[in-house]
Parts: sequence; structure tokens; C-alpha cells
Amino acid sequence: GQQLNQSPQSMFIQEGEDVSMNCTSSSIFNTWLWYKQDPGEGPVLLIALYKAGELTSNGRLTAQFGITRKDSFLNISASIPSDVGIYFCAGRSNSGYALNFGKGTSLLVTP
Amino acid sequence: GAGVSQTPSNKVTEKGKYVELRCDPISGHTALYWYRQSLGQGPEFLIYFQGTGAADDSGLPNDRFFAVRPEGSVSTLKIQRTERGDSAVYLCASSLIRDNEQFFGPGTRLTVL
Repeated sequence: GQQLNQSPQSMFIQEGEDVSMNCTSSSIFNTWLWYKQDPGEGPVLLIALYKAGELTSNGRLTAQFGITRKDSFLNISASIPSDVGIYFCAGRSNSGYALNFGKGTSLLVTP
Repeated sequence: GAGVSQTPSNKVTEKGKYVELRCDPISGHTALYWYRQSLGQGPEFLIYFQGTGAADDSGLPNDRFFAVRPEGSVSTLKIQRTERGDSAVYLCASSLIRDNEQFFGPGTRLTVL
């Protein structure tokens, strides 16, 4: 499958700070998804994006589907300790079934 | 309602043995996917079922891997002659239809000694 470039690889922040992470692809996707995974658990869907330029929020989380359809961004505002985990972007092409995942951004939040 | 469930949660086996991993998707979801996640990596696609048929098995690494979904609900991933390199977390996901959001189960951690 397509390899997605997700950055940063890890982030270590203080509670209350805002967080930004992004994902880029060499090919076009028609769906972008953002997941969070806690240790020993499966990925949990946070936000789904279906249209280029789309900006969608879920509580303190906001994600955008890039205009070029080759990138996506996730922002977390006013981080809290329970935001700790690994965040994955995933993209799907128009002709595909499978999700192509990035390598994840590991987020650590200190109180 | 209940989410995707997978059993067992952990499986330890010896090299060369046969293993079966089970996935019970969300009720009513017609699409089912298997992924494999190695340490420090994102999940990688293995196989996709639409109903009872495997619509895309291009992600299966070799012919030791096989999956079935005989009644269009529960799926079983089967691995023959396991190798140490098969050690990973095997994740199952389901979606209402093909292009909908995929919801993941907790995974089965397979360790081949």
C-alpha cells in the first residue's frame, strides 16, 4: 500500500498546550481518517474527512482535508493528560478498500 | 451497541504451529477487514471481505495466510506453519458498507516463539 509520511514522530507537551500533527501522501486520497490508539487497544476513530478542503471538529479536535488531497492535519486544543496516546492518520483512494496508515505520532502530556 | 470483538486477546504459539484468530464485527456491517500491526508501525492491510467473499486479499503476505467469512458475519484468520516473523498484533475492522468509516477491534497479539 501507499506509505504515508506522518509528523512529528513524537511530541512531549504540557497540559493546556495546543498540538498540531500532519500527514502527507505521494498520491491522492478521497478519504482521510484520524485514529487514536492506546496501549493494548485497537485504533479508535476520531474524525473522518471526505471532501478536499473540508474542516471538521470533534470537541477539542479539528482536522482538515488538504486542498491537494495529498495531505491532512489534526489539531488538538488545550491538551489534557488523557490525550496521551498514538495518533494515526489513514487515507483511502477512490479505487481502494484498504486504509493506508502513517507510522503514528506519539503524544505525551505532562500535568 | 457492541463494537468489534476479537478472540483470543493474546496467543502464544511455537514456530511451525497452526493458529486461528477470530473476529466478530459490528452487527449489520457488511464489510470486514484484517490488518496486521508490527511494533512502532501503523496497521497494514491484509484482506477485505464484502459479505462472504474475499474481495481483496492482496495484502496477505504469502499462502500460509488464509481467511474465511462463511456466513457473512464472523471471520477467522488462519495462519499455517507459523514463523517468528508472524509475531504482531492482528486487527480486525468492520464498516457498514465499503466506503464508510472502519471501526477496529482490540486486536489479537500473536507471539511465535
